[in-house]
Amino acid sequence: EAGVTQFPSHSVIEKGQTVTLRCDPISGHDNLYWYRRVMGKEIKFLLHFVKESKQDESGMPNNRFLAERTGGTYSTLKVQPAELEDSGVYFCASSQGGQNTIYFGEGSWLTVV
Amino acid sequence: SQKIEQNSEALNIQEGKTATLTCNYTNYSPAYLQWYRQDPGRGPVFLLLIRENEKEKRKERLKVTFDTTLKQSLFHITASQPADSATYLCALLMFSGGYNKLIFGAGTRLAVHP
Repeated sequence: EAGVTQFPSHSVIEKGQTVTLRCDPISGHDNLYWYRRVMGKEIKFLLHFVKESKQDESGMPNNRFLAERTGGTYSTLKVQPAELEDSGVYFCASSQGGQNTIYFGEGSWLTVV
Repeated sequence: SQKIEQNSEALNIQEGKTATLTCNYTNYSPAYLQWYRQDPGRGPVFLLLIRENEKEKRKERLKVTFDTTLKQSLFHITASQPADSATYLCALLMFSGGYNKLIFGAGTRLAVHP
């Protein structure tokens, strides 16, 4: 069974440009999460989808970040326009409904120059 | 807000010894506490989950304890091997509005030397 997959694995963009990160959760997982780690700090929660609905987006830093989950399957996280402080690694994770084990992807490493 | 403290200094131990990592948290106790392993350039990998009403949990060479009075969890790796070298993350599973999210510590890097 495939794990959580993320694309791209690495991205280097200029300040002001747009980047879209994609996440495919484990098949059958209704819960999808985005987390990120910036500047060597701890991993922090961004938001949580249950199927196609946003349940908790309290961790989204500002309105330059937009997350969607089309049809309750894959999810995208768009950063527009990107700023230098957005550099870091963005992790997607998923879990089955009612389960507390959360599975992480390998991350999308974003560098804004 | 909830904060988690893990020893930021790397832990260096000799192969075969037991590694013990500490996780302390502030404020209220979570329903669940989890430990993850993270290798350089990879995502966190789930290892163990312990509930607030459990004192200890074991899985092969791994053991986790949870003391809600001390607000502390200890993570032990017995008979450590060089392959156990990685960063170990403590995470609290918090419930918010009926749904859960993880709050991570910064992690402790473990280096097991042959």
